[in-house]
Amino acid sequence: EAAVTQSPRNKVAVTGGKVTLSCNQTNNHNNMYWYRQDTGHGLRLIHYSYGAGSTEKGDIPDGYKASRPSQENFSLILELATPSQTSVYFCASGEGGSGNTLYFGEGSRLIVV
Amino acid sequence: GEQVEQLPSILRVQEGSSASINCSYEDSASNYFPWYKQEPGENPKLIIDIRSNMERKQIQELIVLLDKKAKRFSLHITDTQPGDSAMYFCAASERNAGAKLTFGGGTRLTVRP
Repeated sequence: EAAVTQSPRNKVAVTGGKVTLSCNQTNNHNNMYWYRQDTGHGLRLIHYSYGAGSTEKGDIPDGYKASRPSQENFSLILELATPSQTSVYFCASGEGGSGNTLYFGEGSRLIVV
Repeated sequence: GEQVEQLPSILRVQEGSSASINCSYEDSASNYFPWYKQEPGENPKLIIDIRSNMERKQIQELIVLLDKKAKRFSLHITDTQPGDSAMYFCAASERNAGAKLTFGGGTRLTVRP
């Protein structure tokens, strides 16, 4: 089964601080994704990537950057964290193409105070 | 981009009865419709999916129906069990949007013994 690991699993950050959420997958999947999950909003796509060196804006990219330095790693960066970015963040990987299964990590709970 | 609406947001049923969750989408180019289940404290996992060349698919107690004309799809769980209690998400993927999945807002299903 796909293995997607996220770190940190829990993080408390101060407003205006920089936060980096990391994701590693061991399945050699081309595509990787960052979603945030909030009550009432489901899972919303922030950034995604088709492969090393590629990053694409999702549906809610404002306030976030992404980095895909290798096939295995995909990071989400909050340069200036705000309380509105308090959420649970999920990384996922998939083979790519229409109809592919997403394999999610365990989630990273971020609280911005 | 695609928008997916999911109803109801909360669903409570008696063990042994059926549960139905309905989703609608906006983009007629969407051609892949998966359903994910998220147990408390865990990550979402794919449970069943349907492609646009099908109208119905069943895996054990799970049935998905797709009405392309109405741009609606639904999940039906027959003979529900307490273990079916979870959050359920529908999603839609556009043919030409790589593997970008847009999720609905989620349904919290509770099956009462």
